[in-house]
Amino acid sequence: EVQLVQSGAEVKTPGESLKISCQASGYNFSTHWIAWVRQRPGKGLEWMGIISPGGSDVRYSPSFQGQVTISADKSVATAYLRWSSLKTSDTAMYYCARQEGFCSRATCYPNYYYDMDVWGRGTTVTVSS
Amino acid sequence: QPVVTQEPVLSVSPGGTVTLTCGLVSATVSAAYYPSWYQQTPGQAPRTLIYSTNVPSSGVPIRFSGSILGDKAALTITGAQVTDESHYYCVLYMGSGFWVFGGGTKLTVL
Repeated sequence: EVQLVQSGAEVKTPGESLKISCQASGYNFSTHWIAWVRQRPGKGLEWMGIISPGGSDVRYSPSFQGQVTISADKSVATAYLRWSSLKTSDTAMYYCARQEGFCSRATCYPNYYYDMDVWGRGTTVTVSS
Repeated sequence: QPVVTQEPVLSVSPGGTVTLTCGLVSATVSAAYYPSWYQQTPGQAPRTLIYSTNVPSSGVPIRFSGSILGDKAALTITGAQVTDESHYYCVLYMGSGFWVFGGGTKLTVL
């Protein structure tokens, strides 16, 4: 079964650092990029960024550039989302989702034709003093 | 950052037809934005209904269809069911490996 298993809920105080994970199984990790999506309480979905399976190529939404760091470790089929200094406004559910990739002339890209077809169940992050 | 617009709230009667739209402030949405539509019920992760404008995801009921209507992407539900009451989100591809979600539509079926 193809699945993305996300790490458990976190409760942190402002200023703390945090790294959450998204481990893939049931498919070849090398074939799909991993996107991160934020959903604040009672609000809509926000696309944060996407990372190549090898971890060398990361695309960020301008809204999240510099606010978070996305990384990946192909050896353990896992993508990560990290904050160096959390704010209360980071309180949200964070989803990871896979996006098929494609390569052209030795450069690889997330395949915009397809959807984010498999999602993790989400990681709740609560930041409160 | 581009702003993707959706109707915040819509309602439809059971068995009726409703169209949700996905626009772009100061631009026209075309198939080149590869619009996708997701349904999200409370407490659940989103699931794909439609991708690349009008391609249904596996297992999606035929009553859901996607298109371009005028200058927007559209999701039409024909013969709405009570179980379709949910939040619906579109997402547009902006190029350079970058997507933007719309604000979502809360659909009520009553």
